[in-house]
Amino acid sequence: GESVGLHLPTLSVQEGDNSIINCAYSNSASDYFIWYKQESGKGPQFIIDIRSNMDKRQGQRVTVLLNKTVKHLSLQIAATQPGDSAVYFCAERGYGGSQGNLIFGKGTKLSVKP
Amino acid sequence: GAGVSQSPSNKVTEKGKDVELRCDPISGHTALYWYRQSLGQGLEFLIYFQGNSAPDKSGLPSDRFSAERTGGSVSTLTIQRTQQEDSAVYLCASSLGEDTAQYFGPGTRLTVL
Repeated sequence: GESVGLHLPTLSVQEGDNSIINCAYSNSASDYFIWYKQESGKGPQFIIDIRSNMDKRQGQRVTVLLNKTVKHLSLQIAATQPGDSAVYFCAERGYGGSQGNLIFGKGTKLSVKP
Repeated sequence: GAGVSQSPSNKVTEKGKDVELRCDPISGHTALYWYRQSLGQGLEFLIYFQGNSAPDKSGLPSDRFSAERTGGSVSTLTIQRTQQEDSAVYLCASSLGEDTAQYFGPGTRLTVL
């Protein structure tokens, strides 16, 4: 079935470097995407979202890029800090008969080395 | 302001028992969602409520699972005759509408012995 997936299960970066986490989606009709950060033992924390009528959206230290041509989503974290260490999930809004729920990928674990 | 809250934070039960998990959404949010997360996995959609509409139950894994939302606010997820494979973290989220950001609670960790 169609699903959201991630290219890399783990990512290790040096503190201060920029991080890029990638995500592929398979439904070209998807119109809304969200990135979440999940720390151990906690619920997912909203980071940033983007709608399909946009290519780029920026937040504080984060940027989400959407490439609809290749159905690719990425999260860029500038000047990565130890506190950014977590699992990051991309999600797309459900489609077909179920358009309210989110469909999540399996996540990428980001480890920041001091 | 207050975020989504869930209770209990942890629940240990014996196989075959029924359990109830509670979710208090953010005030004013009309949409409420339940997800399940198994160890090291992504989130699996279970059910969602939008306003007064009939809930979307398409993600419920079996008829042992049910949920209700009273007064458009608090929701309870009930699992009857629990099985070991039901062990997971159950997460609740709420949003202003079904096409806006969902905000998650801390989850309830359910362990079925």
